[in-house]
Amino acid sequence: SQQGEEDPQALSIQEGENATMNCSYKTSINNLQWYRQNSGRGLVHLILIRSNEREKHSGRLRVTLDTSKKSSSLLITASRAADTASYFCATASRTYKYIFGTGTRLKVLA
Amino acid sequence: SAVISQKPSRDICQRGTSLTIQCQVDSQVTMMFWYRQQPGQSLTLIATANQGSEATYESGFVIDKFPISRPNLTFSTLTVSNMSPEDSSIYLCSVEQGEGQPQHFGDGTRLSIL
Repeated sequence: SQQGEEDPQALSIQEGENATMNCSYKTSINNLQWYRQNSGRGLVHLILIRSNEREKHSGRLRVTLDTSKKSSSLLITASRAADTASYFCATASRTYKYIFGTGTRLKVLA
Repeated sequence: SAVISQKPSRDICQRGTSLTIQCQVDSQVTMMFWYRQQPGQSLTLIATANQGSEATYESGFVIDKFPISRPNLTFSTLTVSNMSPEDSSIYLCSVEQGEGQPQHFGDGTRLSIL
């Protein structure tokens, strides 16, 4: 399977704590994207990082990319109950259009 | 970003029937995609909907089971044919406005087959 792997599969933290999710992939990529999905609804795009970038920030989100290790991480700082959702990474390459990771289910406790 | 309307939002269908899902975008987009998300799973790409030509299907998906239309740059349909309980999933439409740009998703269609 070409599907990416994410860990942890599930994460439960207290409000105000930071949450870190990791994504590993198998093929060369053009970019890597992170998405959030609430309650089985549509996905919301969070951040895109290109293969020549190593780190990107957007508000409370920080994404890193290590192409030598074929891995990425998403850090959510100062988490809120509203951050409770599933988070997916997706890789875009020339060979495959998009490959989504297995996802991390994040629960933020108030 | 593009606004995507997907209909129906959910349906319960009988085994052996077919259902057509519609995806409408509020602006012209280059690429439109259809995904399946089985319960508790990640997304799997079914096909790329090509405007004016046959869709490009991924391995494991065939046109007879999932016929797709894309008559213009703002609209596409996915039909799930001869449904069985294994087809119970969320079906999602997404669009991409240019290569290297993020995808934007509709809210999905939650399909249950009895």
